[in-house]
Amino acid sequence: NAGVTQTPKFQVLKTGQSMTLQCAQDMNHEYMSWYRQDPGMGLRLIHYSVGAGITDQGEVPNGYNVSRSTTEDFPLRLLSAAPSQTSVYFCASSGQGGNQPQHFGDGTRLSIL
Amino acid sequence: GNSVTQMEGPVTLSEEAFLTINCTYTATGYPSLFWYVQYPGEGLQLLLKATKADDKGSNKGFEATYRKETTSFHLEKGSVQVSDSAVYFCALSLSGGSNYKLTFGKGTLLTVNP
Repeated sequence: NAGVTQTPKFQVLKTGQSMTLQCAQDMNHEYMSWYRQDPGMGLRLIHYSVGAGITDQGEVPNGYNVSRSTTEDFPLRLLSAAPSQTSVYFCASSGQGGNQPQHFGDGTRLSIL
Repeated sequence: GNSVTQMEGPVTLSEEAFLTINCTYTATGYPSLFWYVQYPGEGLQLLLKATKADDKGSNKGFEATYRKETTSFHLEKGSVQVSDSAVYFCALSLSGGSNYKLTFGKGTLLTVNP
């Protein structure tokens, strides 16, 4: 019953460091996405993918990169961490169709000092 | 563009009280509507959904009806429990081509006291 698995759960970085947040799903979902959750802002879409080899930008893509080499994995890369990227990051996946619910991971809490 | 506006809260109720969390939306096209719930320290879980006008989604005693005429999807529960304490998010998605992005409201924190 893995569903969507995110690692790590917590991370502290220094300004300027880079890191990759991992996301894997075992439901054979085509659609995957990354959101950030900030107080009073709800969830905002960073990047998304509609299938292996296809990615696109969401609402707040600056400072983040993604790739989708397999159906299962969708890592999110911070190129040069900034304090403004302190947030809780959620990965989600869903089957095809806008009426399909998205399945969320438990999140990665990231602090940039 | 697409947007979702929901009651900001926080909402504090006593156990067995009636709950309403208002949600209205703006969308181009015909969206699917969702309520997600987030318990402390966890990710979001789907609570209920409705995919067309006049549909009623229901789950765990919660209900919401897709009202196209008022562009609303208000969440209701007749008798809340302490275990319902969580953050509730209203969201919409449109499917056109390969676009299944979710647009969220800002969330409503519900606290239920015994």
